Amino acid sequence: DAGVIQSPRHEVTEMGQEVTLRCKPISGHNSLFWYRQTMMRGLELLIYFNNNVPIDDSGMPEDRFSAKMPNASFSTLKIQPSEPRDSAVYFCASTVSGGAQKFFGSYNEQFFGPGTRLTVL
Amino acid sequence: DAKTTQPPSMDCAEGRAANLPCNHSTISGNEYVYWYRQIHSQGPQYIIHGLKNNETNEMASLIITEDRKSSTLILPHATLRDTAVYYCIVRGPQGGKLIFGQGTELSVKP
Repeated sequence: DAGVIQSPRHEVTEMGQEVTLRCKPISGHNSLFWYRQTMMRGLELLIYFNNNVPIDDSGMPEDRFSAKMPNASFSTLKIQPSEPRDSAVYFCASTVSGGAQKFFGSYNEQFFGPGTRLTVL
Repeated sequence: DAKTTQPPSMDCAEGRAANLPCNHSTISGNEYVYWYRQIHSQGPQYIIHGLKNNETNEMASLIITEDRKSSTLILPHATLRDTAVYYCIVRGPQGGKLIFGQGTELSVKP
């Protein structure tokens, strides 16, 4: 199993540019989470999806951030326009939730990807 | 979800047991205690979880007090690779989001 895959691993961009982060969850997982980590704020949840539907986006900072999950194997987090304060490490995580748990024996353990380190100049 | 309190940092000698405490005095009856850790520059990693009974797996043991207001994560024989930030999280049975606090930065020293 390849685990959760995130791309790119590192992104450096200039203020005002559009940034798209990508995530491929573990096959069979039906919940996907986007987190952001900074020194000042720690690790915070931005949004999570269950069965491709956004369930809680209360952590999304503002309208410049948007996330989509067009299918069970792919999600994107987009920042447009980007600002220096968006510099952070963005993690994607996936798990099995709800009725699907009984087939996978999961305890809602979230599996995290390696993260994307974003630097906005 | 209930709030947790952890010491900001701890040291442990290599080969000794590391005991990481967590207070969760407002935990409700159906909430679980989860532990994750984050090694530098990596994503968080699940360690163990429990409801009210003590739990053990290949990574660690979790001791939950009878009143469930606190717990201790035990790494029985700490190695240098256990140096990480350890997060104690309380969450309901339905799963969903994890709310990370500041965690405990464990330094295992030779």
